[in-house]
Amino acid sequence: ESVLTQSPGTLSLSPGERATLSCRASQSVSNNYLAWYQQKPGQAPRLLIYGASRRAAGIPDRFSGSGSGTDFTLAISRLEPEDFAVYSCQQYGTAYRTFGQGTKVEI
Amino acid sequence: EVQLLESGGALVQPGGSLRLSCAASGFTFSSFGMSWVRQAPGKGLEWVSAISGSGVGTYYADSVKGRFTISRDNSKNTLYLQMNSLRAEDTAVYYCAKDVSVVPAAFFDYWGQGTLVTVSS
Repeated sequence: ESVLTQSPGTLSLSPGERATLSCRASQSVSNNYLAWYQQKPGQAPRLLIYGASRRAAGIPDRFSGSGSGTDFTLAISRLEPEDFAVYSCQQYGTAYRTFGQGTKVEI
Repeated sequence: EVQLLESGGALVQPGGSLRLSCAASGFTFSSFGMSWVRQAPGKGLEWVSAISGSGVGTYYADSVKGRFTISRDNSKNTLYLQMNSLRAEDTAVYYCAKDVSVVPAAFFDYWGQGTLVTVSS
């Protein structure tokens, strides 16, 4: 089972700034099967990125994903007020999916 | 429009049982794998269980294996999670999530709003 470790735990930034979030896997993620989700308080997660770098439908292009193997990054180019939330990475490729513990992006 | 609506969450005593349901609409239910994912208070997401579109393949996290049973009724477009021998550490919001393929091995493109299960005496 691949363990995903996200860093930092909390990122304190201002609107308009760039956010860079990290997700590191304990084993290589096959075929770059890595997704990112956004979650706001009291809401369900929302798919942002899949396949490490592919934006899901309707996701603004200020969100971008990159990386391969064991190191992945989610970048938000210019933070909008609605982007302050918790972001989680997830590996897939088998039924036994695992998630990172999340990174909170706060003002 | 895809909709997933969970129900069945409640306060239950340790050792008790509960059955969660997830009513799906807006897509061909039998064509997609489904999962339950939970989130303990203040914690990250944890995948719990998955089931293939046909219902033949079922998968469980080690933390719930032998205690939880996932099932689906494709005629009713409904996903279930039977939870037995509940423990305090099972306390969480339980989400149902739709896979992007019939085999539940991918990412989730739609999630329900969740139902809260609290295990406490």
